[in-house]
Amino acid sequence: QVQLVESGGGVVQPGGSLRLSCAASGFIFGCCGMHWVRQAPGKGLEWVTFIRNDGSNEYYADSVKGRFTISRDNSKNMLYLQMNSLRVEDTAVYYCAKSLFDAFDIWGPGTVVTVSS
Amino acid sequence: QSALTQPPSVSGSPGQSVTISCTGTSSDVGAYNRVSWYQQPPGTAPKLMIYEVRHRPSGVPDRFSGSKSGDTASLTISGLQAEDEADYYCSSYTNSGTYVFGTGTKVTVL
Repeated sequence: QVQLVESGGGVVQPGGSLRLSCAASGFIFGCCGMHWVRQAPGKGLEWVTFIRNDGSNEYYADSVKGRFTISRDNSKNMLYLQMNSLRVEDTAVYYCAKSLFDAFDIWGPGTVVTVSS
Repeated sequence: QSALTQPPSVSGSPGQSVTISCTGTSSDVGAYNRVSWYQQPPGTAPKLMIYEVRHRPSGVPDRFSGSKSGDTASLTISGLQAEDEADYYCSSYTNSGTYVFGTGTKVTVL
């Protein structure tokens, strides 16, 4: 079945870095654009970044631009999020999601990132 | 990019209908038919319920319907059921090539 599974979350100090991964299965990964979406504790959903199916273009929310980088490896069915210069306000559950007609049609269970000293 | 505006909460009795509004601007909701809706029960990942304003993915009950007028989109749940109790979020593509979510609405079944 179609599935996304995130990993790489954890606890990191402010200013630190973390790399999240998202393993895709059950569909042709290279067909589709992919997103990262986050949700701070008790808060709503926030779109973070998007990458086109072939990796040719990336888009970022202003809140993470210049600090986060999205990438993908279609040969390994993997999506990544490199997060640098992390801030306390980046604490959230991070979801990867598959794009369908500019909607988010498949979601992973999420991975928790906590930025704290 | 500011979040789309949704009412914090709506409620209804079983069998009734509820409608959730999602107000944006001419740069997002009003600009494209790329509005989608998500259901998120507590402690779970969101689930796509509507895409491109009014289209339902396979498996989503036809009790869920979407519409749009100008800068405001709406999700209507007809024949409300206890299992519909959850948080609901709208989302839109924007003319900056980015995406924006709504503030979220908690649906309570009385």
